[in-house]
Amino acid sequence: AQSVTQLGSHVSVSEGALVLLRCNYSSSVPPYLFWYVQYPNQGLQLLLKYTTGATLVKGINGFEAEFKKSETSFHLTKPSAHMSDAAEYFCAVSPTGNQFYFGTGTSLTVIP
Amino acid sequence: EAGVTQSPTHLIKTRGQQATLRCSPISGHTSVYWYQQALGLGLQFLLWYDEGEERNRGNFPPRFSGRQFPNYSSELNVNALELEDSALYLCASSLRQGFAEAFFGQGTRLTVV
Repeated sequence: AQSVTQLGSHVSVSEGALVLLRCNYSSSVPPYLFWYVQYPNQGLQLLLKYTTGATLVKGINGFEAEFKKSETSFHLTKPSAHMSDAAEYFCAVSPTGNQFYFGTGTSLTVIP
Repeated sequence: EAGVTQSPTHLIKTRGQQATLRCSPISGHTSVYWYQQALGLGLQFLLWYDEGEERNRGNFPPRFSGRQFPNYSSELNVNALELEDSALYLCASSLRQGFAEAFFGQGTRLTVV
């Protein structure tokens, strides 16, 4: 069975501080992994994805994530938080390429 | 290029009524996914359609149903609406092959009163 766990439903950081959003997955096969961002009353927008190759993936808006197979993790980071980063973030896994399983989301608050 | 479009953006229905939500995928995408996003519950997978066929459905009662048309657009129907069906319903589309990412629409906010 496939599942995604996002530790921390709410994360607060100060503007300019490091952002770290945690994602762990379980999958019966090597998965494809995604991070999406959702702004209020909008759909989800892809931040980045891991398919194959380099385990450190760079996305939009300065975000990056590292696939660690041994830890079954795909944590999202950004060196310096900006006010505009305040949003809901979802980690997703796709074991087969045809089905997407989402975590419950992490709400990021950026404190000025 | 147009993204995934959903209509209507807002829908208010009375308990017991039926709701129909529509989704147009990105041109060239054959897979359409429906998700329910209720407050505090994340994204719950509803249905997956590809090439006109229902490929998988989530753990929802049969009153949640849908279909995909020959042009790959899709409808989600919810019968006998209950108050707890109030949620944001998101549609996403993707290419069938290549482990492509899903692209999401803006959603339909369904309110059941």
